[in-house]
Amino acid sequence: GAGVSQSPSNKVTEKGKDVELRCDPISGHTALYWYRQRLGQGLEFLIYFQGNSAPDKSGLPSDRFSAERTGESVSTLTIQRTQQEDSAVYLCASSLSPGQLNYGYTFGSGTRLTVV
Amino acid sequence: GESVGLHLPTLSVQEGDNSIINCAYSNSASDYFIWYKQESGKGPQFIIDIRSNMDKRQGQRVTVLLNKTVKHLSLQIAATQPGDSAVYFCAEEGGSYIPTFGRGTSLIVHP
Repeated sequence: GAGVSQSPSNKVTEKGKDVELRCDPISGHTALYWYRQRLGQGLEFLIYFQGNSAPDKSGLPSDRFSAERTGESVSTLTIQRTQQEDSAVYLCASSLSPGQLNYGYTFGSGTRLTVV
Repeated sequence: GESVGLHLPTLSVQEGDNSIINCAYSNSASDYFIWYKQESGKGPQFIIDIRSNMDKRQGQRVTVLLNKTVKHLSLQIAATQPGDSAVYFCAEEGGSYIPTFGRGTSLIVHP
């Protein structure tokens, strides 16, 4: 597609439920990132996928968080047993293969998760 | 400067003025820097980038300056318009291919 697509755009869930967030990167972008943005704050790195390499999970805040990516396409971020502190906007970004000159990162519009 | 929570650094300017947004980065090994604009309810939007082998790069109405000696990055916006009102983030990246973002500066443009 023309841009990074995320769904749903908004999600309200009850505490303790599991949620799954989806990201469709730009076609041909081998790198994919998930970030979390709490209200009024910057972007907190969660996980990074690069091609078929093992993902960098160093930013995942707890074992309730996991993510998968099939090849160089769709990624899903799963949060199990959601807590109110998980409420945030979850942003996905993709980029061409790192190392290319001025490769930049293109973000989706995010999924706003509210845990009640 | 940087802050946490709801108290983002804020820059208020009048329409037509030039704006300068500053960012201090921490990793001396960073070699790629990007500025993003984020409007309310939207994802960050790429504005301009610069590599560490440059100290200045210009785009349309925007200029990025990089001072590696003091690890400082700035974004200059010429003739600021109300549509420029947003939160602006700098990001640095070097070797890890994972960009690290600053906490953002809120730009408010008064007509």
